[in-house]
Amino acid sequence: QKEVEQNSGPLSVPEGAIASLNCTYSDRGSQSFFWYRQYSGKSPELIMFIYSNGDKEDGRFTAQLNKASQYVSLLIRDSQPSDSATYLCAVIGSGNTGKLIFGQGTTLQVKP
Amino acid sequence: ETGVTQTPRHLVMGMTNKKSLKCEQHLGHNAMYWYKQSAKKPLELMFVYNFKEQTENNSVPSRFSPECPNSSHLFLHLHTLQPEDSALYLCASSQERLTYEQYFGPGTRLTVT
Repeated sequence: QKEVEQNSGPLSVPEGAIASLNCTYSDRGSQSFFWYRQYSGKSPELIMFIYSNGDKEDGRFTAQLNKASQYVSLLIRDSQPSDSATYLCAVIGSGNTGKLIFGQGTTLQVKP
Repeated sequence: ETGVTQTPRHLVMGMTNKKSLKCEQHLGHNAMYWYKQSAKKPLELMFVYNFKEQTENNSVPSRFSPECPNSSHLFLHLHTLQPEDSALYLCASSQERLTYEQYFGPGTRLTVT
């Protein structure tokens, strides 16, 4: 079992729709959870982090964490073509070593 | 300069060459990281430095040699690389606290011929 799992996609949504990206993790003691956006040929850009159960909103982005289900998601409201990118889920496991474990990423395509 | 910078942005080297990648962070962080990103693979952590001390070496071959002279600078020395080492090499930094948000530099695209 992979430590952090994401569906590689591509996930295709129409412009203006809600895009829902999902991630599961295997280490039940994980403490911190991150979403990065990576455009083709560019480096990852941190867009959200969350470490408490529930929802965290920042503009059009909402991160959702459910530690009991070992599940973290990212919702993008009013999706724009500029949101088309690969979204990487990353987790810091138990022990708080700062070591980020990345998923493979989900490619999102927003069609005009 | 702001954030995390990396030089060079592109590098082509032969298998017998020696080269170095440089990373500098201007965020006042005290932890720095090297990652490798190959096509179709998740980001792989290579090395972690915390307050200039190496705290993680993720089973990286010895042809990759890191150096961290201070909390703002990180180097990756390369020698006798293999074609399969061709990848995007990313540097990141973070403040050492609970959430450990890591911020990435633009990366060095390395091609080994």
